[in-house]
Amino acid sequence: AQTVTQSQPEMSVQEAETVTLSCTYDTSESNYYLFWYKQPPSRQMILVIRQEAYKQQNATENRFSVNFQKAAKSFSLKISDSQLGDTAMYFCAFMRQNRDDKIIFGKGTRLHILP
Amino acid sequence: EAGVTQFPSHSVIEKGQTVTLRCDPISGHDNLYWYRRVMGKEIKFLLHFVKESKQDESGMPNNRFLAERTGGTYSTLKVQPAELEDSGVYFCASSQLALYGYTFGSGTRLTVV
Repeated sequence: AQTVTQSQPEMSVQEAETVTLSCTYDTSESNYYLFWYKQPPSRQMILVIRQEAYKQQNATENRFSVNFQKAAKSFSLKISDSQLGDTAMYFCAFMRQNRDDKIIFGKGTRLHILP
Repeated sequence: EAGVTQFPSHSVIEKGQTVTLRCDPISGHDNLYWYRRVMGKEIKFLLHFVKESKQDESGMPNNRFLAERTGGTYSTLKVQPAELEDSGVYFCASSQLALYGYTFGSGTRLTVV
C-alpha cells in the first residue's frame, strides 16, 4: 500500500523568507504522480504543483518549486519569498499512474507566514 | 466556469439522525470523488464515481454511508444513522483527467453530537 508522510505538523516563518515543507512517500510503483495541495483557512483546497515521477526535472510554479528525489522517495515543497497569503494547510499527495484515480494524502503541514 | 460546489458548508446533527451531503461537480467532469478528513488525520478516500457508476467504493467505512450520483451529474452522500465518529470534513472533488489533479469543493464540516 502507498503511504505519504509529512513529518512537520506545523511551521512558522517570517514574510519574505524561504520555507521548505517535507514529504516522503512509500510505494513499489515506478510510475506515479505527486502533488502539493494548499488549503487556506476556511477555503477550498487548490492544486499548487504537480510532478510526474518519470520526469527528472523538478516542477516549478512561480514561487513554488519541488525537490523530487525519486530514489529517496522524497518530494519537498519550497516556497520562496513567502507571502501572508501563503498561510494555509499544505497536503502532499500521491497517485499511481494508470492504475486508479485515487489520490492518497499526507496528514498535512500547517504553515503560518508571520508579518 | 463554476467550481465544485458542496452543500451544506456546515451541519450539526445528533447521533442517530440522518444527514445528506450534496456535491455539484464541474460541468463535464465525469469523475467525482468523496474524501473525508477527521480532525488531525489524513484525508481519506471514500469513493469514486465515473459518471453515474461507482468505480471504487473501497473507502466507504460501513453500510451507514450511501453515495449516489444521479444521471452522472450531482452526487449525494447520506449518513444514516450518524455516529459520533462520523464527524469530520467531507470533501468532494471532480476531474476530467485525474492525472492532472482534482478540483476540490470547500467541504462540508459535519459534527455529530
